[in-house]
Amino acid sequence: EPEVTQTPSHQVTQMGQEVILRCVPISNHLYFYWYRQILGQKVEFLVSFYNNEISEKSEIFDDQFSVERPDGSNFTLKIRSTKLEDSAMYFCASSVFQGKNTEAFFGQGTRLTVV
Amino acid sequence: GEDVEQSLFLSVREGDSSVINCTYTDSSSTYLYWYKQEPGAGLQLLTYIFSNMDMKQDQRLTVLLNKKDKHLSLRIADTQTGDSAIYFCAEKTGGSYIPTFGRGTSLIVHP
Repeated sequence: EPEVTQTPSHQVTQMGQEVILRCVPISNHLYFYWYRQILGQKVEFLVSFYNNEISEKSEIFDDQFSVERPDGSNFTLKIRSTKLEDSAMYFCASSVFQGKNTEAFFGQGTRLTVV
Repeated sequence: GEDVEQSLFLSVREGDSSVINCTYTDSSSTYLYWYKQEPGAGLQLLTYIFSNMDMKQDQRLTVLLNKKDKHLSLRIADTQTGDSAIYFCAEKTGGSYIPTFGRGTSLIVHP
């Protein structure tokens, strides 16, 4: 069964460093998303991406964040200068369409720990 | 704005029914979802209900929607140890294709 894969599963980084979280969406999907969940808090939407550009983003997704689809398979989230409060589980998701009853498939997450 | 609330933990005995509750604030919610996250895995869509429905049943799962009280529940009949996971409630409101999630309820099933 096709699935969304994320690497690494756990990343530890020093405050101020740049990190890149990687995702391989399902191959025929057109819409891509990043969510995050700070420990004990809600799963929060960060950004959606379609046709090589950001289609929607939340207030959390400020200038420190960027997304890219560098080739035909990867979808990356970059955090330029990490802060302690960026520590969270980051989920990538993809979907074929973006309708109300369209299912988004999620990866297993990357746990980012900023020290 | 949208807000989705769930309790953090639920503990049940194997074989009993589990009921996981969720409340939401946006009355324009069109679709409401239940996702399951097993350890080390991603969020998997379990079931969803459209806002003009009161109930949806799928094998051991029953979703109840009280639109007046903005309350959604997921009932798991004959809960098994394999049902131990985190269950997320989510909604999509009228103008958005992006679901809003709760913080998840950890279901612990003990023998």
